[in-house]
Amino acid sequence: EIVLTQSPGTLSLSPGERATLSCRASQSVSSNYLAWFQQKPGQAPRLLIYGSSSRATGIPDRFSGSGSGTDFTLTISRLGPEDFAVYYCQQYGRSPQTFGQGTKVEIK
Amino acid sequence: QVQLVESGGGVVQPARSLRLSCAASGFTFISYAMHWVRQAPGKGLEWVAGISYDGSTKYYGDTVRGRFTISRDNSKNTLYLQMDSLRAEDTAVYYCVRSGPVIEGSFYVYWGQGTLVTVSS
Repeated sequence: EIVLTQSPGTLSLSPGERATLSCRASQSVSSNYLAWFQQKPGQAPRLLIYGSSSRATGIPDRFSGSGSGTDFTLTISRLGPEDFAVYYCQQYGRSPQTFGQGTKVEIK
Repeated sequence: QVQLVESGGGVVQPARSLRLSCAASGFTFISYAMHWVRQAPGKGLEWVAGISYDGSTKYYGDTVRGRFTISRDNSKNTLYLQMDSLRAEDTAVYYCVRSGPVIEGSFYVYWGQGTLVTVSS
């Protein structure tokens, strides 16, 4: 099983600041099949990034993904008020298709 | 538009069984792999199981393998999760998810609203 470790656990930032979230895999993620999701309370997760760096339909360009192999990053260039949420990475290249434990981005 | 509507959740006693359903509409169901993902109260996401477009290939997470069974009825556009020998730690919101044409290598765009399963005596 590929274990995904996200850091930090919580990120306290102000609107307009840059957020950098990390996801590290215990083994190489095949073909960079790494996705990022945003989840707000009471809602289903929303796909932001797939294939490590491709934005999903309708996702603003302030969200960007990068990385390969075992180290991946989600960057939010300027935090909007709607971006404060929990973010999960997921590898979908090999079953079991695991998720990271999440990073909460909260208002400072 | 794509719709995934889960049902069958509720309160069940430990060691009992429950079957979840997910009614799919707005797309060609037989063309897509499907998954179940769960989230315990206040916790993160956990992938439970995935099934190929034709039901011939199934994968399970370590915590449910041997107790849960994923299946689909393509004539009814419905995905199922049969949950046996339920434990308190299976308490969670269960999401039905559509990925792509294959189980592995297809990302998740569409999620249902989730159905809550509570295992308690």
